[in-house]
Amino acid sequence: TQLLEQSPQFLSIQEGENLTVYCNSSSVFSSLQWYRQEPGEGPVLLVTVVTGGEVKKLKRLTFQFGDARKDSSLHITAAQTGDTGLYLCAGARGGTASKLTFGTGTRLQVTL
Amino acid sequence: GAVVSQHPSRVICKSGTSVKIECRSLDFQATTMFWYRQFPKKSLMLMATSNEGSKATYEQGVEKDKFLINHASLTLSTLTVTSAHPEDSSFYICSARGYQETQYFGPGTRLLVL
Repeated sequence: TQLLEQSPQFLSIQEGENLTVYCNSSSVFSSLQWYRQEPGEGPVLLVTVVTGGEVKKLKRLTFQFGDARKDSSLHITAAQTGDTGLYLCAGARGGTASKLTFGTGTRLQVTL
Repeated sequence: GAVVSQHPSRVICKSGTSVKIECRSLDFQATTMFWYRQFPKKSLMLMATSNEGSKATYEQGVEKDKFLINHASLTLSTLTVTSAHPEDSSFYICSARGYQETQYFGPGTRLLVL
């Protein structure tokens, strides 16, 4: 059972456009992480959000954790070709012993 | 930042043979390591969680006799795919976690069983 649904599944845009990726669940998570993965490589952590309503910015990327800690969004401003990749959200239910549940993934392709 | 390595990066083997994949935390002690499997264009699926010095905990549907996991030290975990078959072909990724919650991922191992 996939507890974290991401939308859209695939997004193809031109450089300079803005986009938002959503990560939704019916379950509450103590923390949520966003990763980016390139083909043939492991996921790279972008950010961790832990507080409901929290907003974090990483250059052109803005991450938000829902007030109820069930959903999150990733907004990219002025996308660049280097943003191309698979974006994964992953939730943890709590404690240092918790495991991650990964979302279904959003594949982003940014073209010139 | 914390670095996790995997070896080999890719392996091709004949059906029926066993393959061992190593996962190492290079600059921190990993109290817990995780093994994931990823199919093409899909997300990561957790296979098992291993804690140093104890038996691994497998996710539902993962055969423990098929995927042997050993976490003998705080810097090394191994995944052995026994009697591999073509359907075991996949991208296997490990992650390691120290005394904080953050998991650091390895670069993955691509297994192709002929």
